[in-house]
Amino acid sequence: DAGVIQSPRHEVTEMGQEVTLRCKPISGHDYLFWYRQTMMRGLELLIYFNNNVPIDDSGMPEDRFSAKMPNASFSTLKIQPSEPRDSAVYFCASSFGQKNSPLHFGNGTRLTVT
Amino acid sequence: DAKTTQPNSMESNEEEPVHLPCNHSTISGTDYIHWYRQLPSQGPEYVIHGLTSNVNNRMASLAIAEDRKSSTLILHRATLRDAAVYYCILRGGSARQLTFGSGTQLTVLP
Repeated sequence: DAGVIQSPRHEVTEMGQEVTLRCKPISGHDYLFWYRQTMMRGLELLIYFNNNVPIDDSGMPEDRFSAKMPNASFSTLKIQPSEPRDSAVYFCASSFGQKNSPLHFGNGTRLTVT
Repeated sequence: DAKTTQPNSMESNEEEPVHLPCNHSTISGTDYIHWYRQLPSQGPEYVIHGLTSNVNNRMASLAIAEDRKSSTLILHRATLRDAAVYYCILRGGSARQLTFGSGTQLTVLP
């Protein structure tokens, strides 16, 4: 099992540009989570999906952020337009639906917006 | 969500046991205690979880106080690879997501 796969590992972009982060969850997992990590705020949940349907997006900072899960094996997090304060490490995680199933995290995408 | 309190940092010597404490005085009856760790430049990884009884797995042991207001993650023999941030998290019975605090930065000295 390859684990949760995120791409790209690093992204550097200029303010105002569109950024798309990608995630492939572990096969068979029915929950998918997007987290953001910064020094100031730590790990924050942005949004999570169950069976490709968004369940809670209350952590999405503002309308510039959007997330989709078109099928069980792929999700995207898009920022348009990007701003320097969006610079962070973005993690994707997946899990089975049973109670207390552990979350399996990818290695993250480090986003730098200049 | 009920909160947890952990020391910001701890040090341990290599090959010695490490006891990482966590206080959760407002824990509810349905909250499970989960521990994750985050190695440098990696995503968090699951370590262990429990409800009331002490738990053991290949990575660590979890000791839960009788009143459940505190718990301790025990690494039986620390290695340099165990240097990481350790997060103690309360997860409600029906919750699927995790809410992370600031964790404990463990430094392992050779």
